Amino acid sequence: DIQLTQSPSFLSASVGDRVTITCRASQGVSSYLAWYQQKPGKVPKLLIYAASTLQSGVPSRFSGSGSETEFTLTISSLQPEDFATYYCQQLNSFPPSFGQGTKLEIK
Amino acid sequence: EVQLVESGGALVQPGGSLKLSCAASGFTFSDSNIHWVRQASGKGLEWVARIRNKADSYATAYAASVKGRFTISRDDSKNTAYLQMNSLKTEDTAVYYCIRPGNLGFDYWGQGTLVTVSS
Repeated sequence: DIQLTQSPSFLSASVGDRVTITCRASQGVSSYLAWYQQKPGKVPKLLIYAASTLQSGVPSRFSGSGSETEFTLTISSLQPEDFATYYCQQLNSFPPSFGQGTKLEIK
Repeated sequence: EVQLVESGGALVQPGGSLKLSCAASGFTFSDSNIHWVRQASGKGLEWVARIRNKADSYATAYAASVKGRFTISRDDSKNTAYLQMNSLKTEDTAVYYCIRPGNLGFDYWGQGTLVTVSS
């Protein structure tokens, strides 16, 4: 099975900051990498698929990049509603695995 | 509008059984694969099981942690998927989500149903 490791696990930032979350895969996953946002008590929401394609309705301050084993999620200017937990997921090979999550908190 | 509504979550004793349901609407259920993902309180997301559509022979797959204990199934005439959970363990305690995947991500999730395994 492919293991995904996100860093950092916790991130404290301020409104307006630019933040980057990294997801590393134990094996190459091509560009079959998705990112999700989950707010407390809510269902995960798909933000980005195919490593860099924004899901419909997702603000353009979110962007994704990378391929094979290293991927990044960047939020260009944090908004109050962006404070949440973010997960990466690989869909290149079965089973589709998730990273452990990155909790983004307000500084 | 795509909707997935899970039900069947409950408190059950270790070793017990439970069957979750996922009622779907707003899309052609029979054409879609369905996944279950779970999340223990305060923890991350864990993929549990998948069932493919009729064209792919309803092929199933399971996480190693549930293989041999859980069974995923579907009834296309009722637009409903199921997760039969046997020999439940305390570590199976979680919110269970039903998901309709897109081509490259899990784009539609149900609201989840809580399964608690405790004596």
